[in-house]
Amino acid sequence: DVKVTQSSRYLVKRTGEKVFLECVQDMDHENMFWYRQDPGLGLRLIYFSYDVKMKEKGDIPEGYSVSREKKERFSLILESASTNQTSMYLCASSLQGFEKLFFGSGTQLSVL
Amino acid sequence: GDSVTQMEGPVTLSEEAFLTINCTYTATGYPSLFWYVQYPGEGLQLLLKATKADDKGSNKGFEATYRKETTSFHLEKGSVQVSDSAVYFCALRKTSYDKVIFGPGTSLSVIP
Repeated sequence: DVKVTQSSRYLVKRTGEKVFLECVQDMDHENMFWYRQDPGLGLRLIYFSYDVKMKEKGDIPEGYSVSREKKERFSLILESASTNQTSMYLCASSLQGFEKLFFGSGTQLSVL
Repeated sequence: GDSVTQMEGPVTLSEEAFLTINCTYTATGYPSLFWYVQYPGEGLQLLLKATKADDKGSNKGFEATYRKETTSFHLEKGSVQVSDSAVYFCALRKTSYDKVIFGPGTSLSVIP
């Protein structure tokens, strides 16, 4: 089975801090994704990547950036965390495009 | 734009009750339709899918039929178990390389 691992289950940060969320997948998938999940809003796509060093903006990229230096690792960066970025962040990967996404268990980020 | 609407939750059922979670969509063309499930403390996982009109997706006792005429993809299960307690997300995608659009999710609690 594909395993998508997110480095932290819970994270508490202060407003203005730089935050790194890490995601690693072990199935040599080309594609990786970052979503945020908020009650009543479902999942919203922040950024995705089809290849190493390549990134595409999703629906809500403002306030975020990403890094993909290696195929298996996709990092989400909050340059200056704000309270409205308190959310559950989900990483996912897939072999082909958006065909069958495999998700990590999520990082619950609280920005105080 | 394309969108997915799900019935409001939370839904609470007794064990062995019949489950229906309504899902309707708005999209041009012929999207593929999905149900994802998120168990407590875990990421989302694909439950079932249907790729064309009148297709029935099924898995783990759950079923959903792609109804083009009513733009619906309702999730059903004849007899729910406590282990089915989770959040269920309806989703659509036009092609493998189009973004998946998720509904807001419906929380299900099954009590013994």
